Order: sequence, then structure tokens, then C-alpha cells
Amino acid sequence: GESVGLHLPTLSVQEGDNSIINCAYSNSASDYFIWYKQESGKGPQFIIDIRSNMDKRQGQRVTVLLNKTVKHLSLQIAATQPGDSAVYFCAETPFGNEKLTFGTGTRLTIIP
Amino acid sequence: SQTIHQWPATLVQPVGSPLSLECTVEGTSNPNLYWYRQAAGRGLQLLFYSVGIGQISSEVPQNLSASRPQDRQFILSSKKLLLSDSGFYLCAWSAAGNQPQHFGDGTRLSIL
Repeated sequence: GESVGLHLPTLSVQEGDNSIINCAYSNSASDYFIWYKQESGKGPQFIIDIRSNMDKRQGQRVTVLLNKTVKHLSLQIAATQPGDSAVYFCAETPFGNEKLTFGTGTRLTIIP
Repeated sequence: SQTIHQWPATLVQPVGSPLSLECTVEGTSNPNLYWYRQAAGRGLQLLFYSVGIGQISSEVPQNLSASRPQDRQFILSSKKLLLSDSGFYLCAWSAAGNQPQHFGDGTRLSIL
């Protein structure tokens, strides 16, 4: 959903633990989904994406899960490190659309 | 490889002054280009996007305008800045609508 004007939810995780960041979307026509990581003072950085014909995709230490039935997307980060501390955004778009709709964002803090 | 450049990194302008922020992309042709604004601790608000030279779509009525004079150049402008124009401005490019957007490092604009 739209992220403008909303305060960021926060998640604190002990270093070395796994973290799960969730995102809900409302558009049943959404076809393409992305996760971004934004560190303080920088632009968002692409992490991983997934298309609607998949329900799971893995990268290096990250896994994205897509549940189209309940319109839910999650990002799992394994063995978290201090450098994982950042704000994480989900984004989605329907097929053929030129724009992304960004989620609220979640601030992840890794506790040493 | 593709790169995106935004400048300046920070800018302090008085109310009522003009604005010109520039974004250029290298290593790709005919990219989609995007301008976003991000308020402190908030999500990303899409301001403008362009799918080709001279083609600009405005998402939010406001004091700003955008232009794309060349294929890989996207400019954000204002004739008279308002206090409410303060924020973090991000430029992004993508190969197509259902492809990842890649962001620049942003311009932090402060209006006094």
C-alpha cells in the first residue's frame, strides 16, 4: 500500500538470529514484487525480486516468500549481521505498469 | 555496467528560489526514469516518471516539474521553492516497468 505519511514500524533482532520482515499488499493484479534495503542517507538498494508465478526465491542469506492467496510478502534474512541494520521496503506492480507502489518500510536494527 | 548519478548530494536553498536537480544514467538505452521524494522517516512518494524523451507523467500536483531533454537525463525543477519542498529527492531508472528500479544516492534539499 501507499507509504507516504506513515511512521516506520521497527524490528530488533539479535546478531546471528534470523529476521523476517513482512509486507501486505492489496492489489490482486500485482504481478511483480521487490525488496529494497535503504541505509541512512543513501538511496534504496535492490535486494531480491519475485514474480507472481513463484512463491519462493532465494538469494545470498535472503529468501522472499509470496503468498498470493492472502496478498502477503515476506523477506527472511538468515544469520543477521550488523550491516543488515537498515530500512527495508517492499514494492509491487501489476503486469504492464510502469510504476512501483512502495510499502511503508520497516526499520531493522541488529543488536550486537 | 549501468550507473546512475545524481547531484548535488546536499543543497540548501532559500524560499522562493529556483531549483534544478539533475540525474543521468550510463550504460543503458531508453530507460524508464523516475523522481521520488522521501520525507524524514517516511516512505517513497513518486513525483514523476518518464518512459521516453519528452514524455513526462506527473503523479502528484505540486510546485515541481520534470523534463527529459536527452535519453539518459532527467531533470527536476521548480521556479519558486516552498518550505514544504524540503526532503530527500531520489532518482531511479529501470529497463521496464516490471524490472527493478535502481536508485541514485539522492539529494538532500533543505529550504530556509
